Amino acid sequence: EDQVTQSPEALRLQEGESSSLNCSYTVSGLRGLFWYRQDPGKGPEFLFTLYSAGEEKEKERLKATLTKKESFLHITAPKPEDSATYLCAVQAAGANNLFFGTGTRLTVIP
Amino acid sequence: GAVVSQHPSRVICKSGTSVKIECRSLDFQATTMFWYRQFPKQSLMLMATSNEGSKATYEQGVEKDKFLINHASLTLSTLTVTSAHPEDSSFYICSAQRSSALNEQFFGPGTRLTVL
Repeated sequence: EDQVTQSPEALRLQEGESSSLNCSYTVSGLRGLFWYRQDPGKGPEFLFTLYSAGEEKEKERLKATLTKKESFLHITAPKPEDSATYLCAVQAAGANNLFFGTGTRLTVIP
Repeated sequence: GAVVSQHPSRVICKSGTSVKIECRSLDFQATTMFWYRQFPKQSLMLMATSNEGSKATYEQGVEKDKFLINHASLTLSTLTVTSAHPEDSSFYICSAQRSSALNEQFFGPGTRLTVL
Protein backbone atom coordinates (compact mmCIF):
# COMPACT_ATOMS: atom_id res chain seq x y z
CA GLU A 1 0.00 0.00 0.00
CA ASP A 2 1.24 3.48 -0.88
CA GLN A 3 2.37 5.49 2.09
CA VAL A 4 3.68 9.03 2.49
CA THR A 5 4.96 10.34 5.81
CA GLN A 6 6.01 13.94 6.24
CA SER A 7 8.04 15.32 9.10
CA PRO A 8 8.06 17.40 11.08
CA GLU A 9 4.35 18.07 11.38
CA ALA A 10 5.06 21.71 12.16
CA LEU A 11 8.21 23.81 11.99
CA ARG A 12 8.92 27.30 13.24
CA LEU A 13 11.96 29.09 11.87
CA GLN A 14 13.48 32.47 12.35
CA GLU A 15 13.78 34.47 9.18
CA GLY A 16 17.05 33.44 7.51
CA GLU A 17 17.29 30.13 9.40
CA SER A 18 17.65 27.40 6.78
CA SER A 19 16.12 23.96 7.30
CA SER A 20 14.78 20.86 5.55
CA LEU A 21 11.42 19.15 5.37
CA ASN A 22 11.29 15.39 4.98
CA CYS A 23 8.97 13.18 2.94
CA SER A 24 9.40 9.43 3.34
CA TYR A 25 7.48 7.27 0.93
CA THR A 26 6.59 3.71 0.10
CA VAL A 27 5.10 3.11 -3.31
CA SER A 28 4.84 0.25 -5.76
CA GLY A 29 7.06 1.79 -8.40
CA LEU A 30 7.47 5.54 -8.34
CA ARG A 31 6.16 7.43 -11.33
CA GLY A 32 6.72 10.83 -9.74
CA LEU A 33 7.07 12.65 -6.43
CA PHE A 34 5.44 16.03 -6.15
CA TRP A 35 5.87 18.98 -3.81
CA TYR A 36 3.13 21.53 -3.36
CA ARG A 37 2.69 24.61 -1.23
CA GLN A 38 -0.74 25.30 0.28
CA ASP A 39 -1.84 28.52 1.92
CA PRO A 40 -4.85 28.48 4.28
CA GLY A 41 -8.15 28.28 2.40
CA LYS A 42 -6.45 27.89 -0.96
CA GLY A 43 -5.67 25.05 -3.32
CA PRO A 44 -2.17 23.55 -3.51
CA GLU A 45 0.35 25.41 -5.64
CA PHE A 46 2.67 23.22 -7.70
CA LEU A 47 6.35 23.47 -6.83
CA PHE A 48 8.30 20.49 -8.18
CA THR A 49 8.05 17.05 -9.70
CA LEU A 50 10.92 14.60 -9.22
CA TYR A 51 11.07 11.38 -11.18
CA SER A 52 14.19 9.45 -10.23
CA ALA A 53 16.65 9.05 -7.37
CA GLY A 54 19.41 11.61 -7.47
CA GLU A 55 17.29 14.23 -9.17
CA GLU A 56 17.31 17.76 -7.77
CA LYS A 57 15.25 20.81 -8.64
CA GLU A 58 15.48 24.40 -7.44
CA LYS A 59 13.17 27.36 -7.38
CA GLU A 60 14.17 30.54 -5.58
CA ARG A 61 14.83 29.59 -1.94
CA LEU A 62 13.57 26.03 -2.36
CA LYS A 63 15.45 22.94 -3.45
CA ALA A 64 13.95 19.47 -3.70
CA THR A 65 15.96 16.27 -3.72
CA LEU A 66 14.97 12.64 -4.14
CA THR A 67 16.34 9.28 -3.04
CA LYS A 68 14.76 5.85 -3.37
CA LYS A 69 13.05 6.20 0.00
CA GLU A 70 12.61 9.89 0.70
CA SER A 71 12.59 13.41 -0.57
CA PHE A 72 13.78 16.57 1.10
CA LEU A 73 12.62 20.10 0.58
CA HIS A 74 15.43 22.40 1.60
CA ILE A 75 14.56 26.00 2.42
CA THR A 76 17.46 28.41 2.34
CA ALA A 77 17.25 31.70 4.25
CA PRO A 78 13.45 31.59 4.50
CA LYS A 79 11.30 34.69 4.61
CA PRO A 80 7.95 35.18 6.35
CA GLU A 81 6.18 34.83 2.99
CA ASP A 82 7.43 31.24 2.83
CA SER A 83 5.06 30.40 5.68
CA ALA A 84 2.61 27.78 4.40
CA THR A 85 1.87 24.08 4.53
CA TYR A 86 4.13 22.07 2.27
CA LEU A 87 2.61 18.91 0.87
CA CYS A 88 4.39 15.92 -0.61
CA ALA A 89 2.59 13.46 -2.88
CA VAL A 90 3.56 10.34 -4.80
CA GLN A 91 2.25 8.95 -8.01
CA ALA A 92 2.62 5.20 -8.46
CA ALA A 93 3.62 3.52 -11.67
CA GLY A 94 0.63 3.07 -13.93
CA ALA A 95 -1.52 5.46 -11.91
CA ASN A 96 -2.63 9.01 -12.58
CA ASN A 97 -3.80 9.98 -9.11
CA LEU A 98 -1.63 11.44 -6.36
CA PHE A 99 -1.36 10.12 -2.82
CA PHE A 100 -0.68 12.92 -0.36
CA GLY A 101 1.10 13.13 2.95
CA THR A 102 -0.36 15.21 5.77
CA GLY A 103 2.01 18.09 5.19
CA THR A 104 4.46 20.19 7.17
CA ARG A 105 3.14 23.48 8.46
CA LEU A 106 5.99 25.99 8.21
CA THR A 107 5.99 29.28 10.07
CA VAL A 108 8.78 31.77 9.44
CA ILE A 109 9.08 34.43 12.12
CA PRO A 110 10.41 37.87 11.19
CA GLY B 1 0.08 28.90 -17.90
CA ALA B 2 -1.61 25.89 -16.27
CA VAL B 3 -4.38 27.77 -14.49
CA VAL B 4 -7.32 25.91 -12.98
CA SER B 5 -10.38 27.73 -11.71
CA GLN B 6 -13.23 26.61 -9.48
CA HIS B 7 -16.64 28.10 -9.02
CA PRO B 8 -18.07 28.94 -6.60
CA SER B 9 -15.30 29.60 -4.09
CA ARG B 10 -17.74 29.41 -1.18
CA VAL B 11 -21.24 28.04 -0.90
CA ILE B 12 -23.63 27.74 2.00
CA CYS B 13 -26.70 25.59 1.52
CA LYS B 14 -29.48 24.00 3.51
CA SER B 15 -29.48 20.34 4.33
CA GLY B 16 -31.16 18.29 1.59
CA THR B 17 -30.30 20.57 -1.29
CA SER B 18 -27.86 19.85 -4.12
CA VAL B 19 -24.78 21.88 -4.92
CA LYS B 20 -22.80 21.95 -8.14
CA ILE B 21 -19.10 22.86 -8.23
CA GLU B 22 -17.34 23.62 -11.51
CA CYS B 23 -13.69 23.03 -12.28
CA ARG B 24 -12.17 24.54 -15.40
CA SER B 25 -8.72 24.37 -16.94
CA LEU B 26 -8.33 27.85 -18.39
CA ASP B 27 -5.31 27.60 -20.66
CA PHE B 28 -4.83 23.91 -21.36
CA GLN B 29 -6.78 20.80 -22.16
CA ALA B 30 -7.19 18.29 -19.38
CA THR B 31 -8.00 14.74 -20.34
CA THR B 32 -8.11 13.81 -16.68
CA MET B 33 -9.39 15.78 -13.71
CA PHE B 34 -9.41 14.78 -10.07
CA TRP B 35 -11.66 15.70 -7.18
CA TYR B 36 -10.35 15.85 -3.62
CA ARG B 37 -11.81 16.81 -0.29
CA GLN B 38 -9.87 18.22 2.61
CA PHE B 39 -10.95 18.45 6.24
CA PRO B 40 -9.41 21.07 8.54
CA LYS B 41 -5.73 20.46 9.19
CA GLN B 42 -5.81 17.24 7.21
CA SER B 43 -4.39 16.36 3.85
CA LEU B 44 -6.15 15.94 0.55
CA MET B 45 -8.14 12.76 0.08
CA LEU B 46 -8.87 11.68 -3.47
CA MET B 47 -12.58 11.20 -4.10
CA ALA B 48 -12.70 10.37 -7.79
CA THR B 49 -10.89 10.48 -11.09
CA SER B 50 -12.72 11.96 -14.04
CA ASN B 51 -11.84 11.31 -17.68
CA GLU B 52 -13.36 13.34 -20.47
CA GLY B 53 -16.26 11.56 -22.08
CA SER B 54 -16.37 8.60 -19.72
CA LYS B 55 -17.68 7.70 -16.29
CA ALA B 56 -15.72 8.77 -13.26
CA THR B 57 -13.79 6.29 -11.16
CA TYR B 58 -14.59 6.65 -7.46
CA GLU B 59 -12.32 5.81 -4.55
CA GLN B 60 -13.41 3.24 -2.02
CA GLY B 61 -15.93 4.64 0.41
CA VAL B 62 -17.07 7.51 -1.83
CA GLU B 63 -20.74 7.25 -2.79
CA LYS B 64 -21.06 7.76 -6.52
CA ASP B 65 -24.78 8.50 -6.27
CA LYS B 66 -24.12 11.24 -3.77
CA PHE B 67 -21.15 12.83 -5.51
CA LEU B 68 -22.04 13.07 -9.19
CA ILE B 69 -19.17 13.87 -11.50
CA ASN B 70 -19.46 14.96 -15.10
CA HIS B 71 -16.51 15.65 -17.40
CA ALA B 72 -18.24 16.89 -20.52
CA SER B 73 -15.31 18.61 -22.21
CA LEU B 74 -11.52 18.81 -22.09
CA THR B 75 -11.71 21.96 -19.98
CA LEU B 76 -14.65 21.39 -17.64
CA SER B 77 -15.55 18.92 -14.92
CA THR B 78 -18.39 19.32 -12.44
CA LEU B 79 -19.02 17.80 -9.03
CA THR B 80 -22.59 17.78 -7.75
CA VAL B 81 -23.14 17.04 -4.09
CA THR B 82 -26.69 15.67 -3.98
CA SER B 83 -28.94 15.89 -0.93
CA ALA B 84 -26.18 17.55 1.04
CA HIS B 85 -25.92 17.01 4.79
CA PRO B 86 -23.81 18.80 7.42
CA GLU B 87 -21.21 16.02 7.32
CA ASP B 88 -20.58 16.90 3.67
CA SER B 89 -19.25 20.28 4.76
CA SER B 90 -15.65 20.37 3.63
CA PHE B 91 -13.14 21.98 1.30
CA TYR B 92 -13.45 20.49 -2.18
CA ILE B 93 -10.51 20.85 -4.53
CA CYS B 94 -10.13 19.79 -8.13
CA SER B 95 -6.97 19.23 -10.12
CA ALA B 96 -6.31 18.88 -13.82
CA GLN B 97 -3.65 16.84 -15.48
CA ARG B 98 -2.05 18.81 -18.29
CA SER B 99 -0.16 16.07 -20.04
CA SER B 100 -0.01 12.35 -19.46
CA ALA B 101 3.64 12.40 -20.43
CA LEU B 102 4.67 15.02 -17.90
CA ASN B 103 2.26 13.87 -15.18
CA GLU B 104 1.83 17.37 -13.87
CA GLN B 105 -1.31 18.15 -11.94
CA PHE B 106 -2.48 21.66 -11.27
CA PHE B 107 -4.98 22.45 -8.58
CA GLY B 108 -7.89 24.81 -8.43
CA PRO B 109 -8.33 27.27 -5.55
CA GLY B 110 -10.92 25.07 -3.84
CA THR B 111 -14.57 25.42 -2.87
CA ARG B 112 -15.63 25.75 0.76
CA LEU B 113 -18.98 24.00 1.21
CA THR B 114 -20.98 24.59 4.37
CA VAL B 115 -24.21 22.65 4.81
CA LEU B 116 -26.52 24.00 7.50
